[in-house]
Amino acid sequence: EDQVTQSPEALRLQEGESSSLNCSYTVSGLRGLFWYRQDPGKGPEFLFTLYSAGEEKEKERLKATLTKKESFLHITAPKPEDSATYLCAVQPPGNTPLVFGKGTRLSVIA
Amino acid sequence: EPEVTQTPSHQVTQMGQEVILRCVPISNHLYFYWYRQILGQKVEFLVSFYNNEISEKSEIFDDQFSVERPDGSNFTLKIRSTKLEDSAMYFCASSEGGGKAQHFGDGTRLSIL
Repeated sequence: EDQVTQSPEALRLQEGESSSLNCSYTVSGLRGLFWYRQDPGKGPEFLFTLYSAGEEKEKERLKATLTKKESFLHITAPKPEDSATYLCAVQPPGNTPLVFGKGTRLSVIA
Repeated sequence: EPEVTQTPSHQVTQMGQEVILRCVPISNHLYFYWYRQILGQKVEFLVSFYNNEISEKSEIFDDQFSVERPDGSNFTLKIRSTKLEDSAMYFCASSEGGGKAQHFGDGTRLSIL
């Protein structure tokens, strides 16, 4: 069964304190790994797609990396507006639905 | 930037009543999805739709659920006889194709009384 596990469940950072969120996955074959940001009461907002081990993507203070078993979302010098739940999802081969993790709830304190 | 829009944002319904949740996917997307998220839990897949038919559905998507694309822009989810456990956020998503990012709407909060 395809599974996604995210850690930690919650993370509290001071503004400027860099850290990483982890997403480990077991899937029959990986078509893509996706990172989303979700604000309270809103839908997941797409951040990155990663397709193969060794790939990296960056956007502002966020960088996503991928290995054969896990992905990391690195947050450099976070600001309070980065506070949100970050979701990881995998897509097995084919036009298949996404399998989501439970997310990491990030709080950045000024 | 194009976005997925969902209506209503909040729906309150008595148990046993029918509800229809509406979505307008991004216009050039070909694949459409419904997911739900019960409070505090994971986002769960319900159904995917391509070329005017269901391409995949989960165990959650039983005979009480149906989807339709009645015209070139709308995509709907119908629940025929709602149960208390149907209370959740329902998200519509669309994508250009397999392996491409799925873009989500802001959801409909469904509350069953």
